[in-house]
Amino acid sequence: QKEVEQDPGPLSVPEGAIVSLNCTYSNSAFQYFMWYRQYSRKGPELLMYTYSSGNKEDGRFTAQVDKSSKYISLFIRDSQPSDSATYLCAMGGGSNYKLTFGKGTLLTVNP
Amino acid sequence: DAGITQSPRYKITETGRQVTLMCHQTWSHSYMFWYRQDLGHGLRLIYYSAAADITDKGEVPDGYVVSRSKTENFPLTLESATRSQTSVYFCASAPSGTYNEQFFGPGTRLTVL
Repeated sequence: QKEVEQDPGPLSVPEGAIVSLNCTYSNSAFQYFMWYRQYSRKGPELLMYTYSSGNKEDGRFTAQVDKSSKYISLFIRDSQPSDSATYLCAMGGGSNYKLTFGKGTLLTVNP
Repeated sequence: DAGITQSPRYKITETGRQVTLMCHQTWSHSYMFWYRQDLGHGLRLIYYSAAADITDKGEVPDGYVVSRSKTENFPLTLESATRSQTSVYFCASAPSGTYNEQFFGPGTRLTVL
């Protein structure tokens, strides 16, 4: 079983839709959960950073962590064409300094 | 306000040549990391550094060498480049105490012929 599983998509939605992106993981030692956004031919950009279970909201973005189910989500409300990118989940705390990344979900928001 | 920069942004080299990729950050972050990103594999950690003069191997270190004599610089050297090292290389840094909160550079696209 892979440590982190993320549906690669692609996911295509109309502008204004609510987008749900998800990752599952197997390592119960993970305590830190991140979402990165990566535009084509650019570096990953840290979008959301959460510790342990719960929700965190930042503008149109909400990150949810359910440690009991080993499941994390990123919701994007009122999606915009500028949200079109690959979204990577990442998790840490399993071993020193190492983040474990999902392989990314490619999202396209159509005008 | 440069943040984290990488050079060169694009590099083409031949098998057997030595190549050095540069990474520079202006935040005085303690932690620095080198990743490679390949289709089908995602981001994989090559080496990391907790502070100047402290480095350690990541997931895929073979064929690579790093050094960190100054906090702000973390060069990655491919001692004898191979075709399998064709990839996009990202440097990242994180502040002391929060190594999970990593900030990435723009990447270097390396092609080994």
